[in-house]
Amino acid sequence: EPEVTQTPSHQVTQMGQEVILRCVPISNHLYFYWYRQILGQKVEFLVSFYNNEISEKSEIFDDQFSVERPDGSNFTLKIRSTKLEDSAMYFCASSVLLAGAQETQYFGPGTRLLVL
Amino acid sequence: KQEVTQIPAALSVPEGENLVLNCSFTDSAIYNLQWFRQDPGKGLTSLLLIQSSQREQTSGRLNASLDKSSGRSTLYIAASQPGDSATYLCAVTHNTDKLIFGTGTRLQVFP
Repeated sequence: EPEVTQTPSHQVTQMGQEVILRCVPISNHLYFYWYRQILGQKVEFLVSFYNNEISEKSEIFDDQFSVERPDGSNFTLKIRSTKLEDSAMYFCASSVLLAGAQETQYFGPGTRLLVL
Repeated sequence: KQEVTQIPAALSVPEGENLVLNCSFTDSAIYNLQWFRQDPGKGLTSLLLIQSSQREQTSGRLNASLDKSSGRSTLYIAASQPGDSATYLCAVTHNTDKLIFGTGTRLQVFP
């Protein structure tokens, strides 16, 4: 069964460093998302991406964050200068159609980011 | 602003019990509602998706209902098993495709 994959599974970085989190969405999916979950808190939406551009972003997704689909399979989240409060589990998700059109979003296993 | 709440926050039951998890949302103008399962330190597994025009969905021992007008959904788990132990999350899509999550119900089923 097709699944969303994410690498790395864990990443430890120093404050101020850049990190790139990678995701391979399900191959025929067109809509891509990043969410994050700070330990003990709700899963929060960061950004949605369709047709090579951001379709929506949350207040969390400031200028330190960027997303890219560098080729036909990968979808990346870059954090330019990490802060302690960026420590969280980051989830990638993909769907065939807009969830507003009643389609399931499929989630990857997550990347646990720890900023020291 | 759409808010999603889940009660109880935690639940511990003996194996074999039927149980109900609750989810409520403040704005009834949702597109759909999804129930997810999250195992410790793991990703989210989609369990059921209920479209805004539907009242319920079933998958195996799971049944989810939706009452849009009252802003509520329930997830019913029949004949619970230790393998059902996980955190259950509900999430809604409101006026865009982003999912808005609740805080989850942490379920433990003991033998």
